Amino acid sequence: GAVVSQHPSWVICKSGTSVKIECRSLDFQATTMFWYRQFPKQSLMLMATSNEGSKATYEQGVEKDKFLINHASLTLSTLTVTSAHPEDSSFYICSARDEYEQYFGPGTRLTVT
Amino acid sequence: AQSVAQPEDQVNVAEGNPLTVKCTYSVSGNPYLFWYVQYPNRGLQFLLKYITGDNLVKGSYGFEAEFNKSQTSFHLKKPSALVSDSALYFCAVSEGSGGFKTIFGAGTRLFVKA
Repeated sequence: GAVVSQHPSWVICKSGTSVKIECRSLDFQATTMFWYRQFPKQSLMLMATSNEGSKATYEQGVEKDKFLINHASLTLSTLTVTSAHPEDSSFYICSARDEYEQYFGPGTRLTVT
Repeated sequence: AQSVAQPEDQVNVAEGNPLTVKCTYSVSGNPYLFWYVQYPNRGLQFLLKYITGDNLVKGSYGFEAEFNKSQTSFHLKKPSALVSDSALYFCAVSEGSGGFKTIFGAGTRLFVKA
């Protein structure tokens, strides 16, 4: 099946710094990618939908200036958490879609100290 | 807008017994339905999907799910539970094909006791 990778798998950063997370579709081209956030013991909450070459569509309540999404190619989307704070600590999961299904990356655990 | 509900936060079952994890959905068009499993500190693993065709869908690790259009349900089942099935299970729905987003239920934690 299709494979989606994320890098890094975990990251620790200091409050006030920015962190970039990469999401790649390894064996298919994804015109649409999605970013989810998961708090401990909770479900996945959709943050934004990213289409190649255009601006991301953010879900209500998600700060677009804080969570910068770039979908520069058909195989790469990046999420940058700017001026990170401890409350941004979470598990971030990306996914890429083909015609029928979304394929999920393994997730990135972000800890902001 | 689509939505999905998993009415049970937790399901407990003895090893060897059948298990059911419930899911109901709401979409305005034709639903694409999915089940995923998540182990601690891991990403999502795909179990099965319904897009069209037979209402009974068979998936990975012996799991199956039955699509019931009249009841808008897509319950996950397994005839004989294993301790290793203990995990967090998510039902998800998307509406149609193309770039439609997938929405997840709140998740159901399954505990299988030996």
